[in-house]
Amino acid sequence: AQSVTQPDIHITVSEGASLELRCNYSYGATPYLFWYVQSPGQGLQLLLKYFSGDTLVQGIKGFEAEFKRSQSSFNLRKPSVHWSDAAEYFCAVGGRGFQKLVFGTGTRLLVSP
Amino acid sequence: GAGVSQTPSNKVTEKGKYVELRCDPISGHTALYWYRQSLGQGPEFLIYFQGTGAADDSGLPNDRFFAVRPEGSVSTLKIQRTERGDSAVYLCASSLTGTQNIQYFGAGTRLSVL
Repeated sequence: AQSVTQPDIHITVSEGASLELRCNYSYGATPYLFWYVQSPGQGLQLLLKYFSGDTLVQGIKGFEAEFKRSQSSFNLRKPSVHWSDAAEYFCAVGGRGFQKLVFGTGTRLLVSP
Repeated sequence: GAGVSQTPSNKVTEKGKYVELRCDPISGHTALYWYRQSLGQGPEFLIYFQGTGAADDSGLPNDRFFAVRPEGSVSTLKIQRTERGDSAVYLCASSLTGTQNIQYFGAGTRLSVL
C-alpha cells in the first residue's frame, strides 16, 4: 500500500538556522515525490518535485530535497529559515500519469525570532 | 483564471442537509481531483476526473458523496444528508499532463456541519 510518513508533527527553528523536514514513503513502483506548503487558510503550493535523474532537486523559496531510494526518504532542507517560512509542510507520493497523490500528515514549522 | 478556483470558501450547514461545492480548474487542464483534509491531517483523495468521466472514485467514503464534471471543466462535489463527520476542508486540484502528475490546488472550501 502507498503511504507517506512525516514523523515530526511540529518543528521549531530559529530564524536564520537550517531546516530539515523528514519524509519516508512506501510505494510499489517508481515514485513521483512532492513537497507542498500550506499557509493558514490557503491551498497547497508546490515547493518542488522529483521524477527521475538527479536525486537532489531544487525548488522555490530556497528549498531543496534529496531523494534516497535506499532509505525510501525524500527530506526537505533549507539552509537559512525566514520567518515567512512558518507554515505546514506536506510530503506526497504519486505515480506516473494521472494518479492520486498520497499525502503525509504534515509537519508544522514554527520560526522563532 | 490564473489558478484553481473553489466556491464557496466557507459553507456552514445543518446535519442532514444537502451541499454542493464547486471547483473551476486551470483553463486547459484535463484532469481534476478532489481531496478532503480533516483537521490535523493531510489531504485524502476522493475522486479524479479525466475529461468528463470519473477515472477513479475509490476515495469516496460512501454513497452520500457524488461528483460530476459534465463539460470537462467545472466540477461539483455533492454531499447528501450531511453528517458532522463530513466537516473538513475540501480541496480541488487540476493537472495538465499525465506524465509529470503535477497537481495545482485551490484554496479549498471549509465545510462545517452543525
